[in-house]
Amino acid sequence: DVKVTQSSRYLVKRTGEKVFLECVQDMDHENMFWYRQDPGLGLRLIYFSYDVKMKEKGDIPEGYSVSREKKERFSLILESASTNQTSMYLCASSWRTGTDTQYFGPGTRLTVL
Amino acid sequence: AQTVTQSQPEMSVQEAETVTLSCTYDTSESDYYLFWYKQPPSRQMILVIRQEAYKQQNATENRFSVNFQKAAKSFSLKISDSQLGDAAMYFCAYRSYLPNTGNQFYFGTGTSLTVIP
Repeated sequence: DVKVTQSSRYLVKRTGEKVFLECVQDMDHENMFWYRQDPGLGLRLIYFSYDVKMKEKGDIPEGYSVSREKKERFSLILESASTNQTSMYLCASSWRTGTDTQYFGPGTRLTVL
Repeated sequence: AQTVTQSQPEMSVQEAETVTLSCTYDTSESDYYLFWYKQPPSRQMILVIRQEAYKQQNATENRFSVNFQKAAKSFSLKISDSQLGDAAMYFCAYRSYLPNTGNQFYFGTGTSLTVIP
């Protein structure tokens, strides 16, 4: 079974703090993704990575950065957390092409006070 | 960029009945993949069913089936014999066939399905 794990299920941070969300997959997938999920807005792509040290901006990259130093690990960084970044964050991984699906982690519910 | 539209924010169905969730998409590509995902309350998102656009036959997985209308760019999900465990948020998603652009998935805004006992 493919496993995608996220470092925290729930996280509470203060405005201005630097926040790290980590994601690890065990399927040797090339692609990894970070989404933000908000009610009524569905899943919005923040960043994705198709290889180690490679990254591409998604639809809403402002206020976020990412790091992929190893193939299995993809980190999302909030340099200076703000209250409008309170959300559910989902990590996913997939093969580069083909019919294969994305495999999702359990999500991290981040609250910024 | 491709867009995926789910026009039903909420749906409900009586247990054991059938329900259809709608999804439309916009693309200029001829080959692509379509997916339905299920996200139960407080649980992980999982794949329900997938369809390759070049296949004319509609995909089926047990009680779940799709009605894929390529010309109309429509991809609806039918759930037969609904069960309480089907209650979840359902997302429709699109993925390009092309290697360079196929990395990204495009998601709809979701349909929240309630199953009434």
